[in-house]
Amino acid sequence: DAKTTQPTSMDCAEGRAANLPCNHSTISGNEYVYWYRQIHSQGPQYIIHGLKNNETNEMASLIITEDRKSSTLILPHATLRDTAVYYCIVRVAKSAGGGNKLTFGTGTQLKVEL
Amino acid sequence: DVKVTQSSRYLVKRTGEKVFLECVQDMDHENMFWYRQDPGLGLRLIYFSYDVKMKEKGDIPEGYSVSREKKERFSLILESASTNQTSMYLCASSRSGGFDEQFFGPGTRLTVL
Repeated sequence: DAKTTQPTSMDCAEGRAANLPCNHSTISGNEYVYWYRQIHSQGPQYIIHGLKNNETNEMASLIITEDRKSSTLILPHATLRDTAVYYCIVRVAKSAGGGNKLTFGTGTQLKVEL
Repeated sequence: DVKVTQSSRYLVKRTGEKVFLECVQDMDHENMFWYRQDPGLGLRLIYFSYDVKMKEKGDIPEGYSVSREKKERFSLILESASTNQTSMYLCASSRSGGFDEQFFGPGTRLTVL
């Protein structure tokens, strides 16, 4: 699975959009980009994933560059409860067995402040 | 509401003790995973299981074993606990299939003295 690079930490004002970047320059054509987050003292939580098209759900939007070498997770109106470590993960999609194991890096600590 | 539960939030054991960490999921998921999380190292996969009685090594299986006798339960075993196994242990489950998200439990913070 391709390696990802994320900033160690970011700050965001409450109510503003939080844009979290991720570089995955060695991504291959069959690898998806996944985002998870981990709020302090909890297990990680799935946010969103995508292959090459931009994706949006009730939690966030995922923007993937045309060359797929980087992506941005957007929290459109960040709240204090969005303070967490955000993990960008790249992996192939496999149909069965252990194929959907995830390799977590150290992520980005997002701090949302008043 | 989907749920993954772990037997303890906090656990303190002594060096050399045999330790069992239990994980139960109520979503009828085929896949189950054990990770450990340490500061500066992120989450690292210890073992996973994609079916009852099936298991595969993850990235750091040394010093651990697992058991999956029932679909809903996945146990992590430390045969002889050591201080370097002090960590946060996280269990997760997912359906079989390429894109399915993993659901995580709240974690067990294990301290080995």
